[in-house]
Amino acid sequence: DIVMTQSPDSLAVSLGERATISCKSNQSVLYSSNNQNYLGWYQQKPGQPPKLLIYWASTRKSGVPDRFSGSGSGTDFALTISSLQAEDVALYYCQQYYTTPWTFGQGTKVEIK
Amino acid sequence: QVQLHESGPGLVKPSETLSLTCSVSGGSVTGYYWSWVRQPPGKGLEWIGYIYYSGVTNYNPSLKGRVTISVDTSKNQFSLKLRSVSAADTAVYYCARGVTYCSTTSCFFEVWGQGSLVTVSS
Repeated sequence: DIVMTQSPDSLAVSLGERATISCKSNQSVLYSSNNQNYLGWYQQKPGQPPKLLIYWASTRKSGVPDRFSGSGSGTDFALTISSLQAEDVALYYCQQYYTTPWTFGQGTKVEIK
Repeated sequence: QVQLHESGPGLVKPSETLSLTCSVSGGSVTGYYWSWVRQPPGKGLEWIGYIYYSGVTNYNPSLKGRVTISVDTSKNQFSLKLRSVSAADTAVYYCARGVTYCSTTSCFFEVWGQGSLVTVSS
């Protein structure tokens, strides 16, 4: 299985400041034939299902605010919230879909400082 | 837009079979990959398996052959059965739809149900 490791487990950021979450895989999720990274990011608020934010490592889903951005390639990825808003308080998960079994990171909790 | 709704018993006894159904409204099961994902209380997400509308399935080996996912296109729903459950199977179970360009090995999830808490206890 591809193991996804996120860091930190939690972070507290002031409103309007930048939040960055790291996600590392133990093997590359870059598919050489199409040069795509098979990596997505989800946001989960308490009592709600996950919500897709980013796919192909850096493509923002329609309707997702542009303060959310994804970056990285191969085995190292990041989700950045450029200016944290109160409504961004949530758990964030990365997911590899390079191969089955599809696996998620353990989650990163983002809070307001 | 498409909505998913999980239904089934909230309490299952150890060693018995957990059964859940995901009803799809506002869209068709045809043409998509449908997955089950679970989340133990306070923990992360685990993909259980998928079924394509044609009946093709793929399961997470971590569940050691205890899983069966089936689809009923006439009822526009799909189902999960997890046999020989233990307390470790206590979780919120989500059904989810893959994006339109999923493949047998590659898929992420754009539509999720609200989840169904299943507790395994005697």
